[in-house]
Amino acid sequence: QVQLVQSGAEVKKPGASVKVSCKASGYTFSNHEINWVRQAPGQGLEWVGWMNPNTGNVAYAEKFQGRVTMTRQTSINTAYMELSRLQSDDTAVYFCAREDGSGWYYFHYWGQGTLVTVSS
Amino acid sequence: SSELTQDPAVSVALGQTVRITCQGDSLRSYYPSWYQQKPGQAPVLVFYGKNFRPSGIPDRFSGSSSGNAAFLTITGAQAEDEADFYCHSRDSSGSHHVFGTGTKVTVL
Repeated sequence: QVQLVQSGAEVKKPGASVKVSCKASGYTFSNHEINWVRQAPGQGLEWVGWMNPNTGNVAYAEKFQGRVTMTRQTSINTAYMELSRLQSDDTAVYFCAREDGSGWYYFHYWGQGTLVTVSS
Repeated sequence: SSELTQDPAVSVALGQTVRITCQGDSLRSYYPSWYQQKPGQAPVLVFYGKNFRPSGIPDRFSGSSSGNAAFLTITGAQAEDEADFYCHSRDSSGSHHVFGTGTKVTVL
């Protein structure tokens, strides 16, 4: 069965960077884009960006341009999202999600989420 | 515009029908997908595309679209349907994604 398993919670100081991993299993990793979505406490879902595991191509939401980097290690079916210059409003649960569909797009499989807390 | 707007909250009596609305320009080009999220959990896909419901999702969840609006209808709402619901689509450029602002559904 398809699974996305994320790394554990992180606590970072303002100005630091965090790297979250998302290990895929149960399907061919290179066949589906991995998206990252975050949710601040009490807030809605916010799309961060996507990465094509086959080509390494990425697209980031404008507000994260210059601060986010999405990469992958195909040998271990793992995607990564690194966010730099963290501020308190980056405190959120970060989810990875597998993109499906053609013509219409959806996220059927999600990771369990990784809580990133930014605090001095 | 790359925004998807939803009503912040709706309530429905147990067993009755509720419709959740999502509005945005990108919906003229892309079918939405809909997600249910309960506290402390990852979102769950409940409807997508023109008319698709993932395996295991009750058939009381249905979707439709018209122009720049999309709708998720819960027919015969159950207590376990109480949750936050989000719509999603590609944005108008087609290269990014966007989520709706979210609707909190309360079952009375």
